[in-house]
Amino acid sequence: NAGVTQTPKFRVLKTGQSMTLLCAQDMNHEYMYWYRQDPGMGLRLIHYSVGEGTTAKGEVPDGYNVSRLKKQNFLLGLESAAPSQTSVYFCASRRQGPRQPQHFGDGTRLSIL
Amino acid sequence: KNEVEQSPQNLTAQEGEFITINCSYSVGISALHWLQQHPGGGIVSLFMLSSGKKKHGRLIATINIQEKHSSLHITASHPRDSAVYICAVGRERSGGGADGLTFGKGTHLIIQP
Repeated sequence: NAGVTQTPKFRVLKTGQSMTLLCAQDMNHEYMYWYRQDPGMGLRLIHYSVGEGTTAKGEVPDGYNVSRLKKQNFLLGLESAAPSQTSVYFCASRRQGPRQPQHFGDGTRLSIL
Repeated sequence: KNEVEQSPQNLTAQEGEFITINCSYSVGISALHWLQQHPGGGIVSLFMLSSGKKKHGRLIATINIQEKHSSLHITASHPRDSAVYICAVGRERSGGGADGLTFGKGTHLIIQP
């Protein structure tokens, strides 16, 4: 039972490079989220999706793009990485409806040099 | 002021002690979540509360909606309970706004043998 799987687990990029983080869930969840976690701060919402083909901005969306072409996958893209995007990125998913718990992936540690 | 405040930020206790972690919030919520994050980073959902009290093993979570306050208790604490405990709230969305959770900064708990 894989749950929420994030790839890669670690990555080092140079400023200006691009990359895509993949989140895959096998629970048939409608809602998916991307958060970032920085030292001394709580997790913050980057983008989210309430269903296949839909995405919406969260609290800190600048510098990121997302896509949800398939229900099970939610991709987070960095078009031109900046040192300020050095962070640990978490994906989460949940069922539709109020008061549903979120299921988290193990995180992706990203360093931008 | 953060919308979700946790206390204490850090807590070191001896094995067997009764542990209390507090969470206060300033927004209308649909539910409050307690999460656990171990070293190495994975996040696990412990509880989701909208009223009253829940218990799972040695963990107890309570919420007072009127006072906008929740507590997480650990009875007979053990070194394996050492982790970061995170309080998060799902906001009421009657007025619109982004989906997703709003997180506290976490409480770093160390239980010494």
